[in-house]
Amino acid sequence: DTEVTQTPKHLVMGMTNKKSLKCEQHMGHRAMYWYKQKAKKPPELMFVYSYEKLSINESVPSRFSPECPNSSLLNLHLHALQPEDSALYLCASSQARDSTYEQYFGPGTRLTVT
Amino acid sequence: GQSLEQPSEVTAVEGAIVQINCTYQTSGFYGLSWYQQHDGGAPTFLSYNALDGLEETGRFSSFLSRSDSYGYLLLQELQMKDSASYFCAVRDHKDSSYKLIFGSGTRLLVRP
Repeated sequence: DTEVTQTPKHLVMGMTNKKSLKCEQHMGHRAMYWYKQKAKKPPELMFVYSYEKLSINESVPSRFSPECPNSSLLNLHLHALQPEDSALYLCASSQARDSTYEQYFGPGTRLTVT
Repeated sequence: GQSLEQPSEVTAVEGAIVQINCTYQTSGFYGLSWYQQHDGGAPTFLSYNALDGLEETGRFSSFLSRSDSYGYLLLQELQMKDSASYFCAVRDHKDSSYKLIFGSGTRLLVRP
């Protein structure tokens, strides 16, 4: 099983809402990533978790809050977002941090902030 | 810092061969990865080259020259479904980081 799943597929939220994005993998991977991708741009790294601990935070605004409840799950909690946060949010995993060159991506959550 | 350069767009005919180049500037280098992303889809890992030379996987091959800081992705017997964006990527060497740095992407259009 080389699948990373993400829910929901689409999300529309107002600037005062609180919502969460979910990601799951069952490949036994110990590194998990959140990316933000705007149209016609490469993925932009937000967070890296390694063995359920936050390894990298790319100076992401505090309105984005990651959580890794266990080795298979990764959440991204959203609060008080801005319209410019509208993007495709991708989750990925790799066997370990050292295997970051080979990442498996989920289908993404298309987020629209109104 | 790290930077990667690849052409923004490439057009080719179905059945043909196309090469997508990537040049990189890095303070340290582990290897070069390639990813494919269809419109509306997720990036998919294609290949990784840590050593010089050509790696072949079916219709796709990837090449690396560490001395030239250059690599390419070669797609043979092009099919319409190969129309997608292709990203080269390197691992960030800064502060023992495990961040993958992506190029800006090459949009491949395959014409009938």
